[in-house]
Amino acid sequence: DGGITQSPKYLFRKEGQNVTLSCEQNLNHDAMYWYRQDPGQGLRLIYYSQIVNDFQKGDIAEGYSVSREKKESFPLTVTSAQKNPTAFYLCASSSWDREYGYTFGSGTRLTVV
Amino acid sequence: QKEVEQDPGPLSVPEGAIVSLNCTYSNSAFQYFMWYRQYSRKGPELLMYTYSSGNKEDGRFTAQVDKSSKYISLFIRDSQPSDSATYLCAFLNQAGTALIFGKGTTLSVSS
Repeated sequence: DGGITQSPKYLFRKEGQNVTLSCEQNLNHDAMYWYRQDPGQGLRLIYYSQIVNDFQKGDIAEGYSVSREKKESFPLTVTSAQKNPTAFYLCASSSWDREYGYTFGSGTRLTVV
Repeated sequence: QKEVEQDPGPLSVPEGAIVSLNCTYSNSAFQYFMWYRQYSRKGPELLMYTYSSGNKEDGRFTAQVDKSSKYISLFIRDSQPSDSATYLCAFLNQAGTALIFGKGTTLSVSS
């Protein structure tokens, strides 16, 4: 079945540690996105990529980094510079014309311990 | 003025009720309108999308867009307990590069 796989489902980070969230899609979509969701805040865009080897900052990119070396993969690294990383992270993908909107993964819940 | 406004609720209704969910937006350049449903601790799933003013129907769901008022609605007829979820409106940004989401309305349908 086609879809987006995010892993891990739950992740715990110690203070000062970098962690990487995985996102893989087999939908042959060109564009991929990372959103952060906090209670009462809706979804806020962190980074997006429309083609391989290219990505753009979203509204809240500070403290995060991404790479897009393969069409299928768009990993997100939460660096120690992100001061409040505890949140639900959602990866999504879409075809170039976005005719059918985004397909989302099931999310990764990151907690700082 | 915020780009997208959506009442977070919570909204509680009995089974069988008609539900109306709404969003307003400020950017008249938005051309592509969507509604997503999100169950607790899951990723959102696309319910409806449209890019024109008027109504679009899909089963028990109707999406309505009024571009002149910058107002979109989602109606749910004969609501079911399985409709209990958070509903997010979404708009394609002016550059056409990413979606902007409302904060979501939490709906609870009791049997």
